[in-house]
Amino acid sequence: EVQLVESGGGLVQPGGSLRLSCAASGFTFSDYWMHWVRQAPGKGLVWVSRINSDGSSTRYADSVKGRFTISRDNAKNTLYLQMNSLRAEDTAVYYCARGRGLGYCSSTSCFDPWGQGTLVSVSS
Amino acid sequence: QSVLTQPPSASGTPGQRVTISCSGGSSNIGSNTVNWYQQLPGTAPKLLIYSNNQRPSGVPDRFSGSKSGTSASLAISGLQSEDEADYYCAAWDDSLNGVVFGGGTKLTVL
Repeated sequence: EVQLVESGGGLVQPGGSLRLSCAASGFTFSDYWMHWVRQAPGKGLVWVSRINSDGSSTRYADSVKGRFTISRDNAKNTLYLQMNSLRAEDTAVYYCARGRGLGYCSSTSCFDPWGQGTLVSVSS
Repeated sequence: QSVLTQPPSASGTPGQRVTISCSGGSSNIGSNTVNWYQQLPGTAPKLLIYSNNQRPSGVPDRFSGSKSGTSASLAISGLQSEDEADYYCAAWDDSLNGVVFGGGTKLTVL
């Protein structure tokens, strides 16, 4: 069974840092692009970042550029999101999602499946 | 304000057909494929439609997608109570160099 499990969320003060992890199983992790998408409480989905299959190429939403870093360890089947200089507006559930690779998800906005999400709260 | 525009709400009675629109521009829907996601209450989103009009295995054929120019639509026929959820469209945006989502449409089954 294809599965994504996020961890690392929690309460952090403004200006602080947090690293999220996403453990993948049930598929060949190194064959797929991976993404982070967030959802503030009661709000819609917002794309955060993506990384290609070998980690050589990354993209970020303008709102997190220069503060967040996406990375992956294909040997450990794990995706990461290093979040620095956190702000109150970064408060959200963060989902990792599998992107394009083998199979039917051929476009960059195709995410399947999604993890269950991890909550990041930025507050003093 | 989302780059892709969706109606905030939609509703229908069981058995009815409802459509949800997603309006964008030349840099997103106009030049890239659209995907649709369903988010049931309290759960993670799930891919519903990919490449404008394709259904992943396991998604009932009651769900269909279409795209024309800079707009896309999701149609749900034979509406069921379990279809009550939030629905989001998404596309790559060539100008922003990122994925953009619609603001989401909350579907209520009356």
